[in-house]
Amino acid sequence: NAGVTQTPKFQVLKTGQSMTLQCAQDMNHNSMYWYRQDPGMGLRLIYYSASEGTTDKGEVPNGYNVSRLNKREFSLRLESAAPSQTSVYFCASSEAGLQETQYFGPGTRLLVL
Amino acid sequence: GQQVMQIPQYQHVQEGEDFTTYCNSSTTLSNIQWYKQRPGGHPVFLIQLVKSGEVKKQKRLTFQFGEAKKNSSLHITATQTTDVGTYFCAGMSSGAGSYQLTFGKGTKLSVIP
Repeated sequence: NAGVTQTPKFQVLKTGQSMTLQCAQDMNHNSMYWYRQDPGMGLRLIYYSASEGTTDKGEVPNGYNVSRLNKREFSLRLESAAPSQTSVYFCASSEAGLQETQYFGPGTRLLVL
Repeated sequence: GQQVMQIPQYQHVQEGEDFTTYCNSSTTLSNIQWYKQRPGGHPVFLIQLVKSGEVKKQKRLTFQFGEAKKNSSLHITATQTTDVGTYFCAGMSSGAGSYQLTFGKGTKLSVIP
């Protein structure tokens, strides 16, 4: 099992460009999450999907949109990237909800110029 | 909202010394999770504590959950270079049928050989 995979690993964008970060899990988990990690800030939840067909805002949702494409895949879209969105983005999944163990992907390092 | 404070932010120890990181929540938690992130890596789940006063051990790691379920600690005995990384606590609170998981900012551990 690959666990949680993310693409791309690295990305450089110019301000105003758009892009989609992809995430997939092969553990048959119901819940998936997107976090951002900034130096000295820990992990902050952007959006999550408790189950297929549902999505909810986390702590820092502004500037992002998500799509739970199916049970395996959960994508994060930046419609108009800003330098403040320079960060490392982690996707995670859990069997059923935040109270369960979360399994993280390897991360996407995003630089917005 | 819920806040989770983690101290210290950094800790440098000589190999063989002990290490402790502390996590304090502004609200009573339903459980607390601990994660480890190696440099350049992604967070990896270590343990979850649920009961008041709970103590769990994993080899040289000892995890405690306070009696009031508002604080927790991770203690590593006789550190090794393989312990290098950032240790995060994540406090879970629940209410009105929803859950909130808040990560501390982490303690970065350096081990000097």
